[in-house]
Amino acid sequence: AQTVTQSQPEMSVQEAETVTLSCTYDTSENNYYLFWYKQPPSRQMILVIRQEAYKQQNATENRFSVNFQKAAKSFSLKISDSQLGDTAMYFCAFMVPNSGYALNFGKGTSLLVTP
Amino acid sequence: DVKVTQSSRYLVKRTGEKVFLECVQDMDHENMFWYRQDPGLGLRLIYFSYDVKMKEKGDIPEGYSVSREKKERFSLILESASTNQTSMYLCASTTLGVIGAETQYFGPGTRLLVL
Repeated sequence: AQTVTQSQPEMSVQEAETVTLSCTYDTSENNYYLFWYKQPPSRQMILVIRQEAYKQQNATENRFSVNFQKAAKSFSLKISDSQLGDTAMYFCAFMVPNSGYALNFGKGTSLLVTP
Repeated sequence: DVKVTQSSRYLVKRTGEKVFLECVQDMDHENMFWYRQDPGLGLRLIYFSYDVKMKEKGDIPEGYSVSREKKERFSLILESASTNQTSMYLCASTTLGVIGAETQYFGPGTRLLVL
């Protein structure tokens, strides 16, 4: 079974600063995908960034980047130049293609960006 | 844009009632999913479907059933609602066979209260 651990239930950061959200996972699979999803207050869950396990290069999407350490089974999310609109729950998720493409989620990190 | 819609944003039901939660996607996606979201627990997979009339149990299927009669529609059924099924229910869908297809698109969620 796959498990996803987010060790930081809550975090806060000041606007324009950088914050890193942690995620570790456990699996015996070699082919898998990792995701960070964002759920703003009372709004829809949206994809922030994804990483294929076979790719060594860390994924980047504008101000969002990941630090993917496959051997350590670690997948942290870095948000640069934090904005008030980044306030949300962030979920780390894991997916193995042969499991029907279902996502296995961590418990989430609530991020508050303050002025 | 991919659109996943859910029939209700809020529902209040009585213990023992049969409850139907509907989800519709407009992008001809093969796979559809039902998750349950609870504070401190993240999202947990209830059921998923990879084709019309096909379904697979997720991690917490007890007390739930599903129906997929048409490709675009995936229904979650609470046969006899209980108070411990009070939760937020999220539907998601994804397609297969193209790069990036593993990304799931989520509906806005249905917040169900069982009294």
